[in-house]
Amino acid sequence: SYELTQPPSVSVSPGQTARITCSGDALPKKYAYWYQQKSGQAPVLVIYEDSKRPSGIPERFSGSSSGTMATLTISGAQVEDEADYYCYSTDSSGNHRGVFGGGTKLTVL
Amino acid sequence: EVQLVQSGAEVKKPGESLKISCKGSGYSFTSYWIGWVRQMPGKGLEWMGIIYPGDSDTRYSPSFQGQVTISADKSISTAYLQWSSLKASDTAMYYCARDTTPDYWGQGTLVTVSS
Repeated sequence: SYELTQPPSVSVSPGQTARITCSGDALPKKYAYWYQQKSGQAPVLVIYEDSKRPSGIPERFSGSSSGTMATLTISGAQVEDEADYYCYSTDSSGNHRGVFGGGTKLTVL
Repeated sequence: EVQLVQSGAEVKKPGESLKISCKGSGYSFTSYWIGWVRQMPGKGLEWMGIIYPGDSDTRYSPSFQGQVTISADKSISTAYLQWSSLKASDTAMYYCARDTTPDYWGQGTLVTVSS
């Protein structure tokens, strides 16, 4: 079955740039999406179609994708950005089957 | 405003059946897929399956095929996730979310299965 691989954890100091990667064989053909989940809350979409930012998401969140790897970048990370981040994509079968990465715990302190 | 409102928390015993719901509003319910996502305690998000309420076309993750049933009643803009015989390992938070690439999410339904 299709898998997306993320690092379990990333740690930065406030004001630094945090980068979270997501690798998957279908990413050259399929968009990546990124979700932020704070403790006890539902996930929130922060990046869609590799690099687009939904309304209301701060400009410090950006996304990119190259080959089999997608990257979420938080420029000037803030303490309130501490959360779990999940990448998401669909498999290449055309059956709309989705898959999440294992999640990355971002620590900002 | 797009909203997905899920039914409340459930506490069940192993072997019991359960059906939880997700009511959509603020958009054309029959024009968007609705998906279900599981999150076991302290774990990550798992994609379970999706349904297109317009024609009830349903797709499942191989991991959940045969374990749950996804359905929808377009007359009341509501999608469902059901189990015929719960196991302790079904204890989790379950989220519904709009579209094959989820943009809006429900608040989650906590299901606890314990004897």
